[in-house]
Amino acid sequence: QSALTQPRSVSGSPGQSVTISCTGTSSDVGGYNYVSWYQQHPGKAPKLMIYDVSKRPSGVPDRFSGSKSGNTASLTISGLQAEDEADYYCCSYAGSYTGVVFGGGTKLTVL
Amino acid sequence: QVQLVQSGSELKKPGASVKVSCKASGYTFTSYAMNWVRQAPGQGLEWMGWINTNTGNPTYAQGFTGRFVFSLDTSVSTAYLQISSLKAEDTAVYYCARDRETTVTTSDYWGQGTLVTVSS
Repeated sequence: QSALTQPRSVSGSPGQSVTISCTGTSSDVGGYNYVSWYQQHPGKAPKLMIYDVSKRPSGVPDRFSGSKSGNTASLTISGLQAEDEADYYCCSYAGSYTGVVFGGGTKLTVL
Repeated sequence: QVQLVQSGSELKKPGASVKVSCKASGYTFTSYAMNWVRQAPGQGLEWMGWINTNTGNPTYAQGFTGRFVFSLDTSVSTAYLQISSLKAEDTAVYYCARDRETTVTTSDYWGQGTLVTVSS
């Protein structure tokens, strides 16, 4: 059982928007602004899409955005494209004792 | 450009040991922490811990103490993961991932992964 809770799957049509939630506790998501999101295509390494809750690394399209409210973080992908179909993982720093925790992952299907 | 290149796939028998390497290039190796992440077949990502590349001090997540050892060779900008007394449930892809900071916060660059298969 993962420390952070994500929906197992979400789907959307090309051009639509989808939001993936990530629920933790005040000891991880709610307690720190070190929430990140990773995209993973089959057989590939994860790729950082969002860090520090809402910042995008260079090269990540601005269709990807992140936010946080309380103990829940969210990743929104607007203008869905076929290449967005992948697994998405949220991640949070959880203090010096626990370290880092991941969500269980969400499979995004572009219909 | 930042690159992390990991060693190739390994097939090991139960009880054996394995050492995975992660060679970094394109940045100052000792300026950023290094994380290790496991992904079992068909499963999610699991953080194993991190190593301070300045001091060499490792920190292990719960469930990764005892048989797992993180180490460094800063002269060749390489981090290592050694797993001893291998079990079938250790079968997974192991990733090294550079952190954005000197301490653990967020992994930004990842190696390509090393598949370790434990089977008799």
